[in-house]
Amino acid sequence: GAVVSQHPSRVICKSGTSVKIECRSLDFQATTMFWYRQFPKQSLMLMATSNEGSKATYEQGVEKDKFLINHASLTLSTLTVTSAHPEDSSFYICSARNQDYGYTFGSGTRLTVV
Amino acid sequence: RKEVEQDPGPFNVPEGATVAFNCTYSNSASQSFFWYRQDCRKEPKLLMSVYSSGNEDGRFTAQLNRASQYISLLIRDSKLSDSATYLCVVVEGGGGNKLTFGTGTQLKVEL
Repeated sequence: GAVVSQHPSRVICKSGTSVKIECRSLDFQATTMFWYRQFPKQSLMLMATSNEGSKATYEQGVEKDKFLINHASLTLSTLTVTSAHPEDSSFYICSARNQDYGYTFGSGTRLTVV
Repeated sequence: RKEVEQDPGPFNVPEGATVAFNCTYSNSASQSFFWYRQDCRKEPKLLMSVYSSGNEDGRFTAQLNRASQYISLLIRDSKLSDSATYLCVVVEGGGGNKLTFGTGTQLKVEL
């Protein structure tokens, strides 16, 4: 089946620093990657939709200058949390849609900003 | 009103029990529906798609009522390993493929 590899699985960073999260589609080409955020006991909330070779589409209320998304190839999308603050601490998950296997999720990144 | 609503639970049931979860969605143009399972601190995993005619996969039965904008999941003969959060997921129409998640219903199966 389709596999999306997400790294790192867990990261702790200091307030004010930037953190990059990578998602790779291992055995299929992901023209579109979705980035979600999940706070404790809450639902996954779509942050942005990343399209290969073009600008990402951000959901209302998500700062595009703070959450930088790059989708430079058909197998790699990255999310960079810039100038992270404690309120950015969350579980970030990517997902790609594959024609044959539907939606596949990465294993998630647990970000803690101290 | 939330786009996808679920009872958060938790539902505490004994092993072997039958348990049902419900979900309502607000967008009548929604096209596809799924149940996902999420274990603590893990990514969601697809449990099953939901079709208008109703569908069954082993101990799991899913049903969709488009007129009432209502989705259900029935788990029979529940196992300890069924303990997880069950997410109702709706795909919007219009070709955007955007998934909208409910907040999830927590199930705890006990001895």
